[in-house]
Formats: sequence, C-alpha cells, structure tokens
Amino acid sequence: QVQLVQSGAEVKKPGASVKVSCKASGYTFTGYYMHWVRQAPGQGLEWMGRINPNSGGTNYAQKFQGRVTMTRDTSISTAYMELSRLRSDDTAVYYCARMVVAANNWFDPWGQGTLVTVSS
Amino acid sequence: DIQLTQSPSFLSASVGDRVTITCRASQGISSYLAWYQQKPGKAPKLLIYAASTLQSGVPSRFSGSGSGTEFTLTISSLQPEDFATYYCQQLNSYPFTFGPGTKVDIK
Repeated sequence: QVQLVQSGAEVKKPGASVKVSCKASGYTFTGYYMHWVRQAPGQGLEWMGRINPNSGGTNYAQKFQGRVTMTRDTSISTAYMELSRLRSDDTAVYYCARMVVAANNWFDPWGQGTLVTVSS
Repeated sequence: DIQLTQSPSFLSASVGDRVTITCRASQGISSYLAWYQQKPGKAPKLLIYAASTLQSGVPSRFSGSGSGTEFTLTISSLQPEDFATYYCQQLNSYPFTFGPGTKVDIK
C-alpha cells in the first residue's frame, strides 16, 4: 500500500536547522510531487512548498523562501525538508504529503507527521 | 494568494444530524478543491477531491459540491467517528492554501 513514513521528533535551539525525512513506499517515487505542510500547536494547516522528485525542481511558499530547502534521494525514495534559522514560532508538526495529479489535484496520503520543537 | 474562508468555524451537532460546512475562495478556482478530515494527533485524511469526488473508502454520507468560489461539504447523517476538524484546500494555484478549519463537536 502507498505509505509515507517520516523521521522522529526533534528538539532544536533557536537559530539551528532541522531536516525532516519522508520515506515513500508502495508507488513510483519519481511519479508524484511531494508537498510539505506544517501545523503549529492548536492551529490550522500551512502549505510550505513542494518538490518534483523526478527533476528536483521546487516551489516554496514566499513566507519560507530563503529558509527552507526541499531535496530528495531517489535511490531510497525519500524526500527531505530542511528549515534553517529556527525560531520558537517554527514549533509545529511537519507533514509530507503526496500530490496526485489527474484532471485535478489532491494530497493523498500524508505522512504521520514530525513534531519539531524549538526551545532554548 | 488565494484566500479560503470556512463557515462556521465551530459547530455543535448530534449523532444523526445533517451537517453542512461552507468554503469560499477569494477568486475562482474552478473545481480544484479538496476536503480533509483531521482528528486530534493524526494526519489529515482526504475525503473529497475535485470539489465533489468521494475518495475511495470514504463513507457515502460525505458529499461535496460547488465550483468557482463557493463550495460545501455535507455529512448527511453524523456518526460518532465524524467528530473532527474539517479543512478545505485549494489546488488551483500556488501557494496551495487551506481554509482555517471547522471543528465539529458533540452536542
């Protein structure tokens, strides 16, 4: 079955960087864009950006431009999201999600989420 | 950026009730809209895509409608497992924004 499994929770200090991984299985990794979405505690969903695993091309939300880098390793069907210069308001659960493109678009499935806590 | 609003932001309902949630887009998005359900501590789950297409495995009591700027998610007969937060998302143009969510609680 199609599955996305993310890396474990992280605790970081302000100013540090974090790199979250998302391992895909059950489908052709290079055939679907991978998106990243975050959710601060008690808040809604916020789209961060996406990567085309085939070409490596990316598209980031303006809010995160200059701080986020999305990469992939096709040999192990894994996507990565690295966020730098962390602040306390970056504390959130970070999700990866596969985008299906047909006549329309949708996200399915989602990874289980990775909690990133930024605290001094 | 395309902004999405949802109404209501919170609703209290009973098992068996018919529930309708509205999502409005700040500009036309054709039918590039999806609905997700999220339960506490869990990842969002796709319910509806292309505004009205039910995802495989999702109960038929869920339905979606609309196009352009106004969309609705309807639960025809609320079940205990449906108490959750529901989000709409536009996938017409980047950034792929989400609505603020509608929390459905038990009356």
